[in-house]
Amino acid sequence: RKEVEQDPGPFNVPEGATVAFNCTYSNSASQSFFWYRQDCRKEPKLLMSVYSSGNEDGRFTAQLNRASQYISLLIRDSKLSDSATYLCVVNIGMVGGVDSSYKLIFGSGTRLLVRP
Amino acid sequence: DGGITQSPKYLFRKEGQNVTLSCEQNLNHDAMYWYRQDPGQGLRLIYYSQIVNDFQKGDIAEGYSVSREKKESFPLTVTSAQKNPTAFYLCASKTGLTNEKLFFGSGTQLSVL
Repeated sequence: RKEVEQDPGPFNVPEGATVAFNCTYSNSASQSFFWYRQDCRKEPKLLMSVYSSGNEDGRFTAQLNRASQYISLLIRDSKLSDSATYLCVVNIGMVGGVDSSYKLIFGSGTRLLVRP
Repeated sequence: DGGITQSPKYLFRKEGQNVTLSCEQNLNHDAMYWYRQDPGQGLRLIYYSQIVNDFQKGDIAEGYSVSREKKESFPLTVTSAQKNPTAFYLCASKTGLTNEKLFFGSGTQLSVL
C-alpha cells in the first residue's frame, strides 16, 4: 500500500462547479498535511496547509479526518484557472524543534480540468 | 527578486555520461532538497542538505551525488550508475526548523539520448 494515495482523475467539471478530492495516508503518526498545486511541467506551489479543525482560504476548504486517515480539498465555484494537478503531501516526521521536512511524502496527484 | 534558480531547463544525457544539474537560491535558506518526479507519480526525495558541508541520502539516492560547499548552491550530479535517469528534477529549499513550506525551482527535464 502506498503511504499517500490519491485518485489520479482527471476530474472534468464545468466552470462554477464544486469539486472535492480525497487523499488517504497510511501512517497514523503523520503530523502535518498540505495541499500543493502543480501546473503541467511546472514546480509545485503550496496551496494550503491542512489543520485539524479544518480551514478555508477563499474558495478552497481543507479538512482532516484522523480517525479515517484522510484529508480532503473542496473547491467551490471552479474557475478555468483552477485546472492543474493537486498534490497531497503528508509529513510523517516528528515536529517541534526538529527539522522533519525530509520526511514529506508526496501523493501522485489528482488532475482537475475545468471546462468553459 | 529572491528565489530558486534551476538550470538548465532541459538536459540530454548520453550513455555512460555524468551530468550536473544546477540549483542556486538567494533566499538565505538553510535546507535544500532534490526531488525526482516521474510521469503520474509523486515526488521522491533523492538527497537533502540541512546545512553547508553536510547532506543526507533520501529514498532514491543510488546513482546520484551532491555537494553543498556554499549555502546558496546544491548541485546534483546524475552519474552513469543511474540507469533510468529520464525524469523531471526539482530542487527545493526552506528556512527554519519548524517552517515546513518548501520553495521549489522551476525544474529540469532530463532525457537520455
